[in-house]
Amino acid sequence: GQNIDQPTEMTATEGAIVQINCTYQTSGFNGLFWYQQHAGEAPTFLSYNVLDGLEEKGRFSSFLSRSKGYSYLLLKELQMKDSASYLCAAPRTGAGSYQLTFGKGTKLSVIP
Amino acid sequence: GAGVSQSPRYKVAKRGQDVALRCDPISGHVSLFWYQQALGQGPEFLTYFQNEAQLDKSGLPSDRFFAERPEGSVSTLKIQRTQQEDSAVYLCASSLEAGANPGNEQFFGPGTRLTVL
Repeated sequence: GQNIDQPTEMTATEGAIVQINCTYQTSGFNGLFWYQQHAGEAPTFLSYNVLDGLEEKGRFSSFLSRSKGYSYLLLKELQMKDSASYLCAAPRTGAGSYQLTFGKGTKLSVIP
Repeated sequence: GAGVSQSPRYKVAKRGQDVALRCDPISGHVSLFWYQQALGQGPEFLTYFQNEAQLDKSGLPSDRFFAERPEGSVSTLKIQRTQQEDSAVYLCASSLEAGANPGNEQFFGPGTRLTVL
């Protein structure tokens, strides 16, 4: 089976840096996705990590440690528009690798 | 370009009614997925289509749920005899390629919020 854990809520200040953690227990490993979802809107793709290490994309970076079953999303220079839920997701292994298992999401509130 | 669209955006149904939710994927996308997202939860997989073939319906919660994609483009998720526990946001997603590559990015629609009274 697959289990993905992430904090339910976080609050951070505009202009600051925030790290959103995700731990996963999966049978096998097929990479890890991060999605952003504003309230009432579609989840949008942020990153997909397969290899260990940090991948940077502008203000957003994603880190993976396969040995620790751990990932984080790092948001720099926070803006009010970054207030959203951040979803960690892992594809199944084997024949059903298109199936994404999502965590419950971390609701980030950015305050002035 | 146009993304994934879904209609209606909001649907209120009385318990026992049948509902039909529509998804228009990105043109040319082979794969189509339906997810159910309860309040405060992450999306949960319902079913997967590759073109018109429904290859996986393992996530459908009961036989009241039925999905189709007859021409390999638009898809409809039908829920018969709705129950209160069916209240959720139903998300559709599409991806360009067939689903074998786990890194295929899935593009999501805005969802249909179903409320069953």
